[in-house]
Amino acid sequence: DQQVKQNSPSLSVQEGRISILNCDYTNSMFDYFLWYKKYPAEGPTFLISISSIKDKNEDGRFTVFLNKSAKHLSLHIVPSQPGDSAVYFCAASPPSGSRLTFGEGTQLTVNP
Amino acid sequence: DAGVTQSPTHLIKTRGQQVTLRCSPISGHKSVSWYQQVLGQGPQFIFQYYEKEERGRGNFPDRFSARQFPNYSSELNVNALLLGDSALYLCASSLWWNEFFGPGTRLTVL
Repeated sequence: DQQVKQNSPSLSVQEGRISILNCDYTNSMFDYFLWYKKYPAEGPTFLISISSIKDKNEDGRFTVFLNKSAKHLSLHIVPSQPGDSAVYFCAASPPSGSRLTFGEGTQLTVNP
Repeated sequence: DAGVTQSPTHLIKTRGQQVTLRCSPISGHKSVSWYQQVLGQGPQFIFQYYEKEERGRGNFPDRFSARQFPNYSSELNVNALLLGDSALYLCASSLWWNEFFGPGTRLTVL
């Protein structure tokens, strides 16, 4: 069973506009959530995270929103830049830490 | 500061062979995890080690094993390789929840 799902395999956005990537989870034991960016031939790079005690966390152009009742999180990138083009993975962790469960990824393309 | 390092970068094996992949964590990180990423999917958790002890194991067969050394580096071993073991194997180290990944080892089984 897929406990973390990213329903959009791809997203295309114009430079300067907002990119919104979505993620849903089913396991209510998850209490820490992360977003990673991955370029081809590289390992995933940590972007931003959020604990279940919060509903928003912001770091520069990146903001993550968590809706616990809907078991949904989203990553907003504002403004989007061509260098943001990559595969974005959301991941979830149980209270014991690490042991991440990943979604399938969303390919973001930011067009100049 | 050096990030997570993995060796080798690429590896080609034939079915039935055995393979050992190596990982050095970020300095100061005591936890090392291994993930398998098949093309088109997200990484799947294989093992977590902390202070040389196995802390968690994913849904992988006993052909997969790992260990962590006193210097916190780690090895992942896969025996009796199958075609389906072809994947990118990622190592990650962490202090707490945030896992920091290495570049991976691309394993191809022919």
